[in-house]
Amino acid sequence: GAVVSQHPSWVICKSGTSVKIECRSLDFQATTMFWYRQFPKQSLMLMATSNEGSKATYEQGVEKDKFLINHASLTLSTLTVTSAHPEDSSFYICSARAGDSTIYGYTFGSGTRLTVV
Amino acid sequence: LAKTTQPISMDSYEGQEVNITCSHNNIATNDYITWYQQFPSQGPRFIIQGYKTKVTNEVASLFIPADRKSSTLSLPRVSLSDTAVYYCLVGKNTNAGKSTFGDGTTLTVKP
Repeated sequence: GAVVSQHPSWVICKSGTSVKIECRSLDFQATTMFWYRQFPKQSLMLMATSNEGSKATYEQGVEKDKFLINHASLTLSTLTVTSAHPEDSSFYICSARAGDSTIYGYTFGSGTRLTVV
Repeated sequence: LAKTTQPISMDSYEGQEVNITCSHNNIATNDYITWYQQFPSQGPRFIIQGYKTKVTNEVASLFIPADRKSSTLSLPRVSLSDTAVYYCLVGKNTNAGKSTFGDGTTLTVKP
C-alpha cells in the first residue's frame, strides 16, 4: 500500500531556532499534501494544504510566516517551524492521497513530536 | 464541511464486536464517509471508506443507512491491540484531506 514517510519522528530544539520536518510519499506522487497539528488529548487540526509547484494554502489562524511550507517535488513537502517557541510544541502530521481515495483513503505519516525548550 | 458527532469513549472486552456510530446530519450529496484509527504518537491509519449501504474489508464493516445521516463502524472480535482513537470523517472524495477531524472515539478494549 501507499506509504508516507515523515522525518524526524521526534525533535527537541531551543526556543528561537527553526526546525524542518520532511514528508515524503515513497511509492506514489502527491501533488497535494496536508499538514496537521495535534496537541495532547486533542484531535488533529489541519494547518495547511501543500501544493506542488505553488504556494501553500493556510487555514485560518495559522501564521504562514511562522510555518513555512515548501512542496518542490511530487514526492516531498517540508514544514519549517521558524523561531520556535514552547507553545509550538506539538505533534505534527502530514498526509497525502495515493490514487483512488476510495481504496486507500488518505495516507498519513507517522508524525513528528516537536518539543521546544 | 459536514460536522460529525461521535461518542467520546467506549469500552469493550476482547472477542466482542464493537459498533461505533457517527452522526453527520449535514452530509452533502457527493461526500464520502471515511474512518481512521490512531494509536498514541502515530499518524492516523485508514480503516474503511464508503458512500452508501454496506462496505466490508478485512478489518471492518461500514454500515450507512439510506439517508446517510449517520454511519456505523463495526469491528468484529476486537483484541487489546484495537485500543485506539477512531475518527469518522465526511468529505468529498477528491478533497478528503481537508475533511475536519472531530473529537474521535477512544475505544478501550479490556481483557
